[in-house]
Amino acid sequence: DAKTTQPPSMDCAEGRAANLPCNHSTISGNEYVYWYRQIHSQGPQYIIHGLKNNETNEMASLIITEDRKSSTLILPHATLRDTAVYYCIVRVVFGNEKLTFGTGTRLTIIP
Amino acid sequence: DTGVSQDPRHKITKRGQNVTFRCDPISEHNRLYWYRQTLGQGPEFLTYFQNEAQLEKSRLLSDRFSAERPKGSFSTLEIQRTEQGDSAMYLCASTLGQGSYEQYFGPGTRLTVT
Repeated sequence: DAKTTQPPSMDCAEGRAANLPCNHSTISGNEYVYWYRQIHSQGPQYIIHGLKNNETNEMASLIITEDRKSSTLILPHATLRDTAVYYCIVRVVFGNEKLTFGTGTRLTIIP
Repeated sequence: DTGVSQDPRHKITKRGQNVTFRCDPISEHNRLYWYRQTLGQGPEFLTYFQNEAQLEKSRLLSDRFSAERPKGSFSTLEIQRTEQGDSAMYLCASTLGQGSYEQYFGPGTRLTVT
């Protein structure tokens, strides 16, 4: 699986949009971009995934650049409960499908 | 609550002892994964099952580690002769099958080896 690069930490004011970047310059054509988050002392939680189109669900939006070498996760109205470590992962679908986590971005929502 | 449960949530053991952890996945999920997470790091893949078959083991899974999923439902992870380096959070995840996008994680078992 391709490697990803994320900033180690970010702050965001409560109620504002949190934009979390991810670089995955070696992504292959059959690899999807996934985002998970891990709130302190809990297991990781799936947020969203995409291949090349932008995606949106009830939790977040995912913007993938046209060359697929980077993406941004957007939490539109951050709340204190969004404070967590956010992991950007690229993964093939079909096959082992294990998740290869990096160290992620620690997002702190400031009241 | 994702529907994946793990037991125990915390385990403190002395070096050299054996420990066993249990994971109960979501009932219709036929894939089950084990990960290990040390402080400040993301989870690392250990092994996975498709039903009762163990299909891949990471190099992290030394001979002291064994995992089973005897009837394709719950799974156990055993560590023999524990070492201080085994101290970590052990996470279990399940998913519906090949091609499914989302892995559902349990709350983890935190192991402390003294």
